[in-house]
Amino acid sequence: DVKVTQSSRYLVKRTGEKVFLECVQDMDHENMFWYRQDPGLGLRLIYFSYDVKMKEKGDIPEGYSVSREKKERFSLILESASTNQTSMYLCASSSDTKHGYTFGSGTRLTVV
Amino acid sequence: GEDVEQSLFLSVREGDSSVINCTYTDSSSTYLYWYKQEPGAGLQLLTYIFSNMDMKQDQRLTVLLNKKDKHLSLRIADTQTGDSAIYFCAESSSGTYKYIFGTGTRLKVLA
Repeated sequence: DVKVTQSSRYLVKRTGEKVFLECVQDMDHENMFWYRQDPGLGLRLIYFSYDVKMKEKGDIPEGYSVSREKKERFSLILESASTNQTSMYLCASSSDTKHGYTFGSGTRLTVV
Repeated sequence: GEDVEQSLFLSVREGDSSVINCTYTDSSSTYLYWYKQEPGAGLQLLTYIFSNMDMKQDQRLTVLLNKKDKHLSLRIADTQTGDSAIYFCAESSSGTYKYIFGTGTRLKVLA
C-alpha cells in the first residue's frame, strides 16, 4: 500500500521555537506539497516541490521554509513559531494530475 | 485568482441520497476531484473526472460536471453513517500540478 508518512500526529511547541515537520513518501513521486488546513478556510498551499532541491512558494509561504534534499522527503520548517501557525498541516505527493494527490494523515500543531 | 466554492454543511438521513455541490472559476481546469476526510485523518481521493466528461459513475458515487456553468456535484446514493466526513472539491489546471481546493462540505448522516 502506497504511503505518505508524516512523522508526528500531534505537536505542541512554544512561541519562537524552530519547528520541523517531516514528510516521507514511498511512491517515487516527483511532486510534493505542504498545505495547512483551518476551519472555514479549506486547504491553503504553503510550498511545493517538483524535484529534489527545487521549491516554489504557494499561496501562504510567509513564516515558512522547506527543504527537499532527497526525492522521498519534504520538510516544512517554521523558522520562529507563532500562535497564528497553530493548524493542521497536510503533506501530499503526486506523480501526475490524473491520479490526484496522496495525502499523509496530517500533523496537528499547537503553538503556545 | 482561481477559486473553488462549496457550502459548509449538509445533513441527510441514512438511506437517502446526498448531493454535494461545488463551483469553480478556472475555465482551463483539466481534472476535477472529490476527496473525503474522516475525523483526524488526511484526505483520501474518492473519484475524479476529466473536463471533457459530463458524468462519471463509480458504485454509489456519481459525479456530474457542467462545464458551461463551472459546476461540479457529487451524489452519494444510499448514504450511510460511515459517509459522515468532510468532502473537498479540487481542480487542477493544464500544465500545473497545483490544485485549488474548496473549503470542504461537512456531511452529517443521521441514523
